[in-house]
Amino acid sequence: KQEVTQIPAALSVPEGENLVLNCSFTDSAIYNLQWFRQDPGKGLTSLLLIQSSQREQTSGRLNASLDKSSGRSTLYIAASQPGDSATYLCAVRLGTNAGKSTFGDGTTLTVKP
Amino acid sequence: ETGVTQSPTHLIKTRGQQVTLRCSSQSGHNTVSWYQQALGQGPQFIFQYYREEENGRGNFPPRFSGLQFPNYSSELNVNALELDDSALYLCASRLMDRAHSAKNIQYFGAGTRLSVL
Repeated sequence: KQEVTQIPAALSVPEGENLVLNCSFTDSAIYNLQWFRQDPGKGLTSLLLIQSSQREQTSGRLNASLDKSSGRSTLYIAASQPGDSATYLCAVRLGTNAGKSTFGDGTTLTVKP
Repeated sequence: ETGVTQSPTHLIKTRGQQVTLRCSSQSGHNTVSWYQQALGQGPQFIFQYYREEENGRGNFPPRFSGLQFPNYSSELNVNALELDDSALYLCASRLMDRAHSAKNIQYFGAGTRLSVL
């Protein structure tokens, strides 16, 4: 059974700081890993998708890395801004036909002005 | 804007009632998944529909059922509501395409907040 863990559960940083969010998973035979952002009471916004054959993906100030062998992914946020405050979730999928994405419980990020 | 819309946004029901939640997927997306998200937790997979057939299910009882229609809309039905069914229900659509893996990005709707009293 795939289990996904995100540490820390909450993080508070001053504006401008670079930060790393962590995601670990128990079954390394994943198809892809996706990072999402969720604002309070809202749905999920996709940030980055990393295929199992890839090592990293970048979008603007965000960089996600994937190390399948160690069962870990990181989301790096550069020059954090108060607008980055949200809960960040990672989700792993085992196969393209597999309906199930397994999510972590998220890291709630607060960026203080 | 993900192109996935859910209705209603909020719903209040009493224990034992039945509820239907609706989702309109992105045009062309042949796959829709439903998730339940309790407060402070990550979403839990309920089931997936591919071309109008259920092809994957999580650890949810049969009183959770669904339908997918040819017009890219879908429904989640929950019978005999229980207090623990109170949660945010999310649908996600994608194009299942083995040849173009980048298209397997899931796009989520904003969710329906269900409260069972």
